[in-house]
Amino acid sequence: NAGVTQTPKFRILKIGQSMTLQCAQDMNHNYMYWYRQDPGMGLKLIYYSVGAGITDKGEVPNGYNVSRSTTEDFPLRLELAAPSQTSVYFCASSYSISGNTIYFGEGSWLTVV
Amino acid sequence: QKEVEQDPGPLSVPEGAIVSLNCTYSNSAFQYFMWYRQYSRKGPELLMYTYSSGNKEDGRFTAQVDKSSKYISLFIRDSQPSDSATYLCAMSAIGGYQKVTFGTGTKLQVIP
Repeated sequence: NAGVTQTPKFRILKIGQSMTLQCAQDMNHNYMYWYRQDPGMGLKLIYYSVGAGITDKGEVPNGYNVSRSTTEDFPLRLELAAPSQTSVYFCASSYSISGNTIYFGEGSWLTVV
Repeated sequence: QKEVEQDPGPLSVPEGAIVSLNCTYSNSAFQYFMWYRQYSRKGPELLMYTYSSGNKEDGRFTAQVDKSSKYISLFIRDSQPSDSATYLCAMSAIGGYQKVTFGTGTKLQVIP
């Protein structure tokens, strides 16, 4: 069972570079999410999607963009990377509208230098 | 005041001990309460969830919700070294799928 798959696992970016974190799920979930996790800060929601073609901002969207062209894929784009974007990024999906059963990917460790 | 408060630990216990992990919250609209386990360098995995108040048991794990006190707990009986991980509480209101609020996590170490 693949579940939620994220790539890459690790990446080092230079300030000002851009990149895309890939996320795919094979559970046919409508709801997908991107979180970032910083030490002592918990998980913060960046963007979420309730279905193909529909996305919305979460708590910390600045510096990021997303798209949802299919049910399976939900890539996260970082434009003009900044040191403040150094973090661990988790993609997740759920089938419940209440989000009470969120399934997470393994995470992507991003360092901006 | 944070919406969800969780003691970061670390909490260190001997193998076989009963572990109590707790979270407090301030938003009375929360109805779903979840516990996630996160091993080092891995994504969180759902351990238990409960709706509204009460207890729920699953093997060695028991989740308790006291809405009157805005307090939730996770008990681990007969703790094992494999239980060593960070435990995140999470909660959401009905229909608030975009607003699942996570605690910062408690790091647990079970010593053999």
